[in-house]
Amino acid sequence: EAQVTQNPRYLITVTGKKLTVTCSQNMNHEYMSWYRQDPGLGLRQIYYSMNVEVTDKGDVPEGYKVSRKEKRNFPLILESPSPNQTSLYFCASSLLGTAYNEQFFGPGTRLTVL
Amino acid sequence: DQQVKQNSPSLSVQEGRISILNCDYTNSMFDYFLWYKKYPAEGPTFLISISSIKDKNEDGRFTVFLNKSAKHLSLHIVPSQPGDSAVYFCAASFYGGSQGNLIFGKGTKLSVKP
Repeated sequence: EAQVTQNPRYLITVTGKKLTVTCSQNMNHEYMSWYRQDPGLGLRQIYYSMNVEVTDKGDVPEGYKVSRKEKRNFPLILESPSPNQTSLYFCASSLLGTAYNEQFFGPGTRLTVL
Repeated sequence: DQQVKQNSPSLSVQEGRISILNCDYTNSMFDYFLWYKKYPAEGPTFLISISSIKDKNEDGRFTVFLNKSAKHLSLHIVPSQPGDSAVYFCAASFYGGSQGNLIFGKGTKLSVKP
């Protein structure tokens, strides 16, 4: 089954404790992206990657890191989480070179930083 | 500055009636538009799209209309069903897929009452 998976689905942590949210897709997509969803703010892009070893900042990259060492994986790293990073996070992927950019989303990771 | 705007945070409709969700955009370079639906505790899923060379696209109960001169698009759901209750995101992109990025609106929460 074609899908984007994220782990963990739920995470409660404390300020300053490094964490990683994993994202994996099995559709051989070149493009992967991370979003956060906050009430009243919709989906905001954090980082994106157009291929292995190619990453770039989205609209709200501060406090986040990403890496793209393999095509299928795109982990989101919070080196020193803060309470303002409490949010719902989505990973997405899509095929490049198509006529449109339909992105496939993972189920989301709800992060709470105390 | 928001490039994709959904000015109605919520909409309530009676079952069987028409739901109309609106979206405005400011960047005239956008040439492909997508609607995503999101249920609680799930990732957004693609619903329907339209290219800027068209002014209408239909898929079952869902129709998207594009008015390029007004930089406005709308999603019509006829007839509305309780299962349509979700948050709907409008998104825009540039043709060709080389960029991959989608610009999302803040979403409209649709409630369809039985």
